[in-house]
Amino acid sequence: DVKVTQSSRYLVKRTGEKVFLECVQDMDHENMFWYRQDPGLGLRLIYFSYDVKMKEKGDIPEGYSVSREKKERFSLILESASTNQTSMYLCASSFSGPSYEQYFGPGTRLTVT
Amino acid sequence: EDKVVQSPLSLVVHEGDTVTLNCSYEVTNFRSLLWYKQEKKAPTFLFMLTSSGIEKKSGRLSSILDKKELFSILNITATQTGDSAIYLCAVGGTSYGKLTFGQGTILTVHP
Repeated sequence: DVKVTQSSRYLVKRTGEKVFLECVQDMDHENMFWYRQDPGLGLRLIYFSYDVKMKEKGDIPEGYSVSREKKERFSLILESASTNQTSMYLCASSFSGPSYEQYFGPGTRLTVT
Repeated sequence: EDKVVQSPLSLVVHEGDTVTLNCSYEVTNFRSLLWYKQEKKAPTFLFMLTSSGIEKKSGRLSSILDKKELFSILNITATQTGDSAIYLCAVGGTSYGKLTFGQGTILTVHP
């Protein structure tokens, strides 16, 4: 079974703090993704990576950065957390190639106060 | 810009009812359309559709794609309370396996 794990299920941070969200997959997938999910807006892509050290901006990259130093690990960084970054964050991974099926982690519910 | 629109945004039914969820899209270089089910955790994969007119089935769930009219439907027959979830539609239209998601349909099935 494909397994995608995220470092925390729930996280509470203060405004201005630097926040790290970690994602690890065990299926040797080339592609990894970070989304945020908000009611009525669906999943919106923040960043994705198609190889180690490679990254591409998604639809809403402002206020975020990412790091992929190893194939299995993809980190999302909030340099200075703000209240409008309170959200559910979902990590996903997939193989490159014709199948677009993505496998998701359980999500991190981040609250910024 | 790629766009995926789902309707309705929410739906409340009783057990035994049949529901139809809709997904329309505008995507450059369409490659595939995927349906996911999300309960209180990670979205789980239901179907991937790449060709028009071919129905995919899994138990009480089925889905079909119309590439000419740019939409897909997800049917659930004889609904059960365990079908209560958010149903997500996503379309792949570029390289690197990137998906564009719709807003999701929240389905609530009452006993």
